[in-house]
Amino acid sequence: SQTIHQWPATLVQPVGSPLSLECTVEGTSNPNLYWYRQAAGRGLQLLFYSVGIGQISSEVPQNLSASRPQDRQFILSSKKLLLSDSGFYLCAWSAGLAGANEQFFGPGTRLTVL
Amino acid sequence: AQSVSQHNHHVILSEAASLELGCNYSYGGTVNLFWYVQYPGQHLQLLLKYFSGDPLVKGIKGFEAEFIKSKFSFNLRKPSVQWSDTAEYFCAVNAQGDSNYQLIWGAGTKLIIKP
Repeated sequence: SQTIHQWPATLVQPVGSPLSLECTVEGTSNPNLYWYRQAAGRGLQLLFYSVGIGQISSEVPQNLSASRPQDRQFILSSKKLLLSDSGFYLCAWSAGLAGANEQFFGPGTRLTVL
Repeated sequence: AQSVSQHNHHVILSEAASLELGCNYSYGGTVNLFWYVQYPGQHLQLLLKYFSGDPLVKGIKGFEAEFIKSKFSFNLRKPSVQWSDTAEYFCAVNAQGDSNYQLIWGAGTKLIIKP
C-alpha cells in the first residue's frame, strides 16, 4: 500500500534561517506531488505541485521554493524564513490530476518562525 | 476569484443527532466536488466526491452529500452521528477547465460530538 512521510513533524526556526522540509511517498510510481499550507481557520492553500522529476509549478509567489530531485521525493525550501512563513505544511500525492482524483495527505509539519 | 464557503466553523452535536454541514462555491461552470475529513491525530483523507451523475453521493462511514447546482451547494449530511465522527471537515472544489491541479478549499468545520 502507499504511504507518505513528512519530516520533521514540528520545527521552530529563527527569522532569516533556511528551511528544508522533506516529503517522500512509498508504494507508487510517478505520483503528482503537492505542497500545501494551512493557516488556522482557513482552508488549504496550494503552494507548489509537480508532475515529474524536476518539474515544479508554483501557485503563489512567496519566499518558498520546491524541488523534486527523485520521483517520490518532494522538498520545500527557503533561503531566509519570514515570520509569515509560520504555519502547517502538508504534502500530498495523487495518481492523476488533483481536481479529478483523490489526494493522499501526509501528517504535516508545524513550522514556527520566531 | 473562485471561493468555497463553509458557513459553520464549529458545530457541537450530541450522539444520534442529524448532521448537515454547508458548503457553497462560487463558480458557474462544471465542477468536481470533494469532502475531506481529518480525524484527531490522523491524516486528511477523502470522505466522498462528486464528478457527475446522481447528485446524491454516498461516502464512507454513512456520510452523504447532495450537489444542488442551482444553489452552488454541496452539503454534507449524516442522519445519526457518532462520537467517532468528531473531526474537522473540509469541502473542496475543482473548476473543470480551470487548472486541474488546483482545488479551492473551504476553511473547514470542526465537528464535536458529545457522547
